[in-house]
Amino acid sequence: GAGVSQSPSNKVTEKGKDVELRCDPISGHTALYWYRQSLGQGLEFLIYFQGNSAPDKSGLPSDRFSAERTGGSVSTLTIQRTQQEDSAVYLCASSLGQGRDEQFFGPGTRLTVL
Amino acid sequence: DQQVKQNSPSLSVQEGRISILNCDYTNSMFDYFLWYKKYPAEGPTFLISISSIKDKNEDGRFTVFLNKSAKHLSLHIVPSQPGDSAVYFCAASASTGGFKTIFGAGTRLFVKA
Repeated sequence: GAGVSQSPSNKVTEKGKDVELRCDPISGHTALYWYRQSLGQGLEFLIYFQGNSAPDKSGLPSDRFSAERTGGSVSTLTIQRTQQEDSAVYLCASSLGQGRDEQFFGPGTRLTVL
Repeated sequence: DQQVKQNSPSLSVQEGRISILNCDYTNSMFDYFLWYKKYPAEGPTFLISISSIKDKNEDGRFTVFLNKSAKHLSLHIVPSQPGDSAVYFCAASASTGGFKTIFGAGTRLFVKA
């Protein structure tokens, strides 16, 4: 069955360039989350979309990070002027959005900033 | 400020024995707790959850215990199997916090055959 998909699976970029990471959630899931996992670290919450509500952006580490969710489905995480410390695996998850439901994760995008 | 802490980065257990993974939290507003399992190069997958109105939830070989007064929860796996070898993440959310989920740093479990 169709799970959460993310693209690209790997991205290598040079410091200072912008990158866009894409997430396709499970159809019908109203909640969408972005996390990142740096080497040896846990999952760091970045941003959370729930239906048409204003997103919870409290986890975004700087104003270089932004995310959009178009039409309540696909989401794009954009990192401007990438820095080496942005290197991490970026994970997207979706859920039915009923508060207590489990999150289904995509395989992640491994970002390497040289 | 780490609100969800998994103080053991790794744990090694013999096949057939019990694995106990621990998690501590600091935010008393957390009222729902989850465990996720992650294999290399894959996203985490949901394992088991518990609401703060309970102190135990069991699903097959997996049992989660919650001690609210100590702000502590644990995941018991018995009997442990080599296929259980993975990173286990503890997570917590608060109904008053818009259900944003906070994850711990994870514990890598090795189950030796």
